[in-house]
This record gives sequence, C-alpha cells and structure tokens, in this order.
Amino acid sequence: GAVVSQHPSWVICKSGTSVKIECRSLDFQATTMFWYRQFPKQSLMLMATSNEGSKATYEQGVEKDKFLINHASLTLSTLTVTSAHPEDSSFYICSASRREYEQYFGPGTRLTVT
Amino acid sequence: GENVEQHPSTLSVQEGDSAVIKCTYSDSASNYFPWYKQELGKGPQLIIDIRSNVGEKKDQRIAVTLNKTAKHFSLHITETQPEDSAVYFCADNAGGTSYGKLTFGQGTILTVHP
Repeated sequence: GAVVSQHPSWVICKSGTSVKIECRSLDFQATTMFWYRQFPKQSLMLMATSNEGSKATYEQGVEKDKFLINHASLTLSTLTVTSAHPEDSSFYICSASRREYEQYFGPGTRLTVT
Repeated sequence: GENVEQHPSTLSVQEGDSAVIKCTYSDSASNYFPWYKQELGKGPQLIIDIRSNVGEKKDQRIAVTLNKTAKHFSLHITETQPEDSAVYFCADNAGGTSYGKLTFGQGTILTVHP
C-alpha cells in the first residue's frame, strides 16, 4: 500500500512552453499533497502544499503564477510549469499524506528545458 | 524557521559494519521524525519513523533513536549491505502538525563497500 505515481517520469520541453506533471495516490485518498523540487546532490525543497478543493499554499520565494497547482480530487494533484526556462530544469517530486503524519513520495519527474 | 542539521554528509563503510546518521532539530513542537532513503533518479522512500512519545523503534536491521531533551534523533543500520548504498534524509514536522510539511536535513550519502 501507499503507492504514489507521477507522470511523466521525464520530459524535455522548449523554453517558453508549459509542462504539466501529474501526481496520483494509487491506493489511498490524500487530502494533502506536497510538491518538492530537488537540484542535483541537494535536499528536497518544498514548493507548495496542495489541499483538495482549495488553493495551494506556496512557500516563500516560489512564484505561484509560474508553478500552477491544482488538486482536483483526493487522488490527483497537478503541477504546471508555465513559460518554462532553462533555470526551471530540475527534479520535481510530489508526496501524499496517507494518514496522520506519514508522507509517501512519488518517483519524481525530471524536467529539462532547452 | 525550523532547521534540521544532518551529519555526516558522506559515510563510507564496509559491508557488515554498522552505519549511524544523526540529525538535530530546533523546533520543540516537532513530534514526528521520519527517515527516507533515496536511490539515484528515484523519489524518497520512507524506511522508518518515530514519534516523540517513544525513544526507540526498530525494524529488522534499521533502528531510530530519539532524544527529545537534546533534540536529536539518529538512524542506525546494522549489518550493512551494498544495496543499502543511497542518500538518506532525516526530517521533522516543524510545528507538530499531523498533516503538515516536513523539514528535511541535508542528506547523507552512504556507500557500503563489498
């Protein structure tokens, strides 16, 4: 149990285009999902907290108009990187809360912007 | 804000030896302390966690100890195997929220030599 999937696992896009990443909890319902960004050899940096049916809460310094988050159901949250630029290239990981305290992570999405 | 310090940043051991990674936290309200294992190109995997109402928890070769007074917790891996090689992250739930965000340590690269 507690499986979280992400799609796509990797994506290459041109500068100026938008990319959508999906995060799904496969065998449980998740009221809260989280989106992280990870640079090579670094720790996970929380970008935003996504709550089903409400607006996401963004961490300080994260542009909400650039990183659009939608949590349409208890099993799906999406992150859209709008007008992507090379500096947005990174490893994006989502996590979902299955029950009190526990968070389970997806396999991550490698985004490369050319 | 909350800060989680993790040491060492790299750890190299021989197969069969024990490995210990230590984390120190600053928020006295924190009451949940998970450990994650991340292999290259994958998302973090929850391997063990502990809540502040216990001092130690063990799961086969893995154990976590918590010292609330000193605000530190440690991961212990016994009888290490090459497949234990990965990056390990500690975290805590700053503020003590049950469905809230986690604050991560900087990570420890563990290498187990055959």
